[in-house]
Amino acid sequence: QSVLTQPPSVSGAPGQTVTISCTGSSSNIGAGYDVHWYQQLPGTAPKLLVYGHNYRPSGVPDRFSVSKSGTSASLAITGLQAEDEADYYCQSYDSSLSGSVFGGGTKLTVL
Amino acid sequence: QVQLVQSGAEVKKPGASVKVSCKASGYTFTSYYIHWVRQAPGQGLEWKGMINPSGGITRFPQNFQGRVTMTSDTSTNTVYMELSSLRSEDTAVYYCARGQMISGNLDYWGRGTLVTVSS
Repeated sequence: QSVLTQPPSVSGAPGQTVTISCTGSSSNIGAGYDVHWYQQLPGTAPKLLVYGHNYRPSGVPDRFSVSKSGTSASLAITGLQAEDEADYYCQSYDSSLSGSVFGGGTKLTVL
Repeated sequence: QVQLVQSGAEVKKPGASVKVSCKASGYTFTSYYIHWVRQAPGQGLEWKGMINPSGGITRFPQNFQGRVTMTSDTSTNTVYMELSSLRSEDTAVYYCARGQMISGNLDYWGRGTLVTVSS
């Protein structure tokens, strides 16, 4: 049972927009800690996708954006492409656990 | 360029210990924390702790304390994670990743080390 809750799967057709939610609590997202998002392609290490207040590492397209409200955060992917098919994870800090926590991951399928 | 190079796959018997290394290059080693993240087969990511190479301060989740030791060697820019009393549930890929603080993002990752615990 992950501290941050994500939907197990989402899907969308090429060109569409999908949103992945990440629900936490008052000791992590709700406490104001930043949420970071990672993309993991099959058989590879996770890659930092978006961090903090919508910052993207060099090379990550602006089709990926995030929002945050209360105890939840969301990752939006616009203009879906076949190469976006991957697992996506959210991460934050939890003050009651005194450590980083991850969501359970969401598998994105591009139809 | 920033690189984190991890040691190779390990196969261990239950009750044994394993030591995984993560060699950093391309940045000032003591300016960033090294985090360890575990991924069991077909499962999600799980944070297993971090070390500040400058001073060696460590932090682990409660369910990992007592079995894990993390150390750093500033002469070789290498961090080590040793896990003892291995059980089958420890079978996983262990990633090291760089972070600026305990609560920050992990911007560079190693390729992972598969640890298999089997009798």
